[in-house]
Amino acid sequence: SAVISQKPSRDICQRGTSLTIQCQVDSQVTMMFWYRQQPGQSLTLIATANQGSEATYESGFVIDKFPISRPNLTFSTLTVSNMSPEDSSIYLCSVEVQGTEQFFGPGTRLTVL
Amino acid sequence: TQLLEQSPQFLSIQEGENLTVYCNSSSVFSSLQWYRQEPGEGPVLLVTVVTGGEVKKLKRLTFQFGDARKDSSLHITAAQPGDTGLYLCASTYNTDKLIFGTGTRLQVFP
Repeated sequence: SAVISQKPSRDICQRGTSLTIQCQVDSQVTMMFWYRQQPGQSLTLIATANQGSEATYESGFVIDKFPISRPNLTFSTLTVSNMSPEDSSIYLCSVEVQGTEQFFGPGTRLTVL
Repeated sequence: TQLLEQSPQFLSIQEGENLTVYCNSSSVFSSLQWYRQEPGEGPVLLVTVVTGGEVKKLKRLTFQFGDARKDSSLHITAAQPGDTGLYLCASTYNTDKLIFGTGTRLQVFP
């Protein structure tokens, strides 16, 4: 298993600003993932972050809007840039352990005014 | 793009009732996972089913994988308020990315 923490747990931000979300894992993992969960909805994959390479973004998500860093095997950040109210969501990171099993962080609840 | 449809979208029941949640896809699943998410937390894996026709039980929860591996169901017997949450099916479809279903929000009243 893996224990994942995220910071901040929640934030309220002004339109046009940026927020960086941190994800810390208690063990070294190859693959980390960032998801968005809009209010009342399911999870949508934003990007896959592997250490030592650029993140791979899903359709509808771009690096300029959601830059990701993966400096080592236990840490990653996701930045939500130039925020608008439509970015209000829960952002979750997850890691893959032993094949296809994924463990999720508690999420960061973002509200953009 | 793979699409996993779940039904019902919402379910509100009394404690002690039984319920079934369904997950359907137009494509064959490589394997299928069921997660539960409680407010303020990330999803937690309940079970993984791999073989067509497979049935797995986890206390009062019974998971079934369709013979053709394109559908799955989750049955809860004698639901309790602690079962309240968002239930999500998910599959990788033999890729390295987990695709989630549309979700079923369950509320169990005492």
